[in-house]
Amino acid sequence: SAVISQKPSRDICQRGTSLTIQCQVDSQVTMMFWYRQQPGQSLTLIATANQGSEATYESGFVIDKFPISRPNLTFSTLTVSNMSPEDSSIYLCSVPRADNEQFFGPGTRLTVL
Amino acid sequence: GEDVEQSLFLSVREGDSSVINCTYTDSSSTYLYWYKQEPGAGLQLLTYIFSNMDMKQDQRLTVLLNKKDKHLSLRIADTQTGDSAIYFCAETPQVDRDDKIIFGKGTRLHILP
Repeated sequence: SAVISQKPSRDICQRGTSLTIQCQVDSQVTMMFWYRQQPGQSLTLIATANQGSEATYESGFVIDKFPISRPNLTFSTLTVSNMSPEDSSIYLCSVPRADNEQFFGPGTRLTVL
Repeated sequence: GEDVEQSLFLSVREGDSSVINCTYTDSSSTYLYWYKQEPGAGLQLLTYIFSNMDMKQDQRLTVLLNKKDKHLSLRIADTQTGDSAIYFCAETPQVDRDDKIIFGKGTRLHILP
């Protein structure tokens, strides 16, 4: 199994500010995914982060709002920009491993006031 | 489009079997998953089944797949209080192991004493 850590684990932010979430994996992986889990809803894929190229965003998510970095094969960041209360969610990174398993980080619980 | 549906709540008496059901729409699904999310924790992959199988058993867990009806179920035998969690059904629509996962909204399993 993969060991995935995220920072911060939780944060409370003011409207209009930005927060950068870090995701660290204990081994090199080609792809990393960023998900959002809004209250009472299932996980929604935000984007796929490939090392050395721009992230691929899902419908409804744009780079200006959720810029992603992937500087190497073990690390990625997701920034939630110009936050509003609607951005309050749990944000998770995940990596695919052998046999199509997906492993998730512990999540970052974001509350926007 | 792709969709995964499951009931939101299930209450089961301790010691009984729990059966959590899921339906999906994408007939090209290759892998189907069950994830468990305990309070305050990240998602944990419980088990998965490949689409050419109709059953998979792992200790107290039994997964049944009816591909014709696009119906997936998770049976937990001898349900314990530690099984209280939200259970997510999910699917991968393509063979590529790096493909995204589509999740249901989760079924909250409540254990009655």
